[in-house]
Amino acid sequence: EVQLLESGGGLVQPGGSLRLSCAASGFTFSTYALQWVRQAPGKGLEWVSAINEGGEITKYTDSVKGRFTISRDNSKNTLYLQMNSLRTEDTAVYYCAKRMTTVTPGALHIWGQGTMVTVSS
Amino acid sequence: DIQMTQSPSTLSASVGDRVTITCRASQSISMWLAWYQQKPGKAPKLLIYKASTLESGVPSRFSGSGSGTELSLTISSLQPDDFATYYCQQYSSAPYTFGQGTKLEIK
Repeated sequence: EVQLLESGGGLVQPGGSLRLSCAASGFTFSTYALQWVRQAPGKGLEWVSAINEGGEITKYTDSVKGRFTISRDNSKNTLYLQMNSLRTEDTAVYYCAKRMTTVTPGALHIWGQGTMVTVSS
Repeated sequence: DIQMTQSPSTLSASVGDRVTITCRASQSISMWLAWYQQKPGKAPKLLIYKASTLESGVPSRFSGSGSGTELSLTISSLQPDDFATYYCQQYSSAPYTFGQGTKLEIK
């Protein structure tokens, strides 16, 4: 069974850092691009970041550029999101998601259960 | 960046009704659009990709149509399990923006 399992969320003060992890199983991890999507409490979905299969190409939404870094370790089947200089507006459930295709543009067909990040003093 | 405008934001309907949700893109996204269903406390679930292709296991009462800048999701006959929030997402170019969501409520 294809699965994604996020971890690393928690409570952090403004200006602090946190690293989220997403452990994958059930598919050839190194073959697929992956993404992070977040959802603030009571709000809609917001796309955050993407990384290609090999980890060389990364993309970010403007509000996290320069503060968040997406990376992956294909030997450990794990995706990461390093979050620095956290702001209260980064408070959200963070989901990792797998793109359904390997080459052409693809929708997100497998999602983790999410991990909550709360930025508050 | 491509902006996705989804409407309506809230939709009240009854079991058996036919409903349509629309997403308008600020520029052409061809057919690179997905529709997701989300229930409270759960991760989104992919319903439709490439504008009109039904994801495996999704009931055939769900359908997608359109291309370019105007795309839509139709549920032909609402079932009790369909009352949820629906999102569109364009994956034509990064940032892969979502619509604001449509909350489908029981009338």
